[in-house]
Amino acid sequence: AQTVTQSQPEMSVQEAETVTLSCTYDTSENNYYLFWYKQPPSRQMILVIRQEAYKQQNATENRFSVNFQKAAKSFSLKISDSQLGDTAMYFCASCRDNDMRFGAGTRLTVKP
Amino acid sequence: NAGVTQTPKFQVLKTGQSMTLQCAQDMNHNSMYWYRQDPGMGLRLIYYSASEGTTDKGEVPNGYNVSRLNKREFSLRLESAAPSQTSVYFCASRFGTLYSNQPQHFGDGTRLSIL
Repeated sequence: AQTVTQSQPEMSVQEAETVTLSCTYDTSENNYYLFWYKQPPSRQMILVIRQEAYKQQNATENRFSVNFQKAAKSFSLKISDSQLGDTAMYFCASCRDNDMRFGAGTRLTVKP
Repeated sequence: NAGVTQTPKFQVLKTGQSMTLQCAQDMNHNSMYWYRQDPGMGLRLIYYSASEGTTDKGEVPNGYNVSRLNKREFSLRLESAAPSQTSVYFCASRFGTLYSNQPQHFGDGTRLSIL
């Protein structure tokens, strides 16, 4: 079974600065996918970024990028130029076939 | 632009009552999922349906049943609700089945309280 660990329950960052959220996972599979989802107070689950495990290149989406270390089973999310609208819970997830496992989440607060 | 629609958004039940949560998607997705979200925990998969006519257990299936009524709809039923089932329930759908990098699209959730 897959497990996903987010070791930072809460983090804060000043507006316009950079923050990195940590995630480690444990899977015995070779073919899997990794995701970061954002959940603002509205409770919606919004996809932030995805990474295919077979790709060595780190995924980027505008201000969001990942540091994917496959051997270390690490998948951290970097948010550059943080904005007030980035305040949310962030969930890391590992997906193999239809089995998606989520971490417990990191609550990120962006301060003005 | 409906996406994934869940009904109801809120519900309060008494212990032992039954209830069906409804989910429908209009994106022509093959796969659909039900999750529960509890405080301090991420989402946990209850059941999923990889395609119309099939359903499979996820991480926490006990106490629940599901029906994939057609390609659009996937319902979750609590036959005899228990306080431990108090949670926020999310439905999701995804294009593609196995080995797919397509992300899941989520509904807005149903907050269910069982007294």
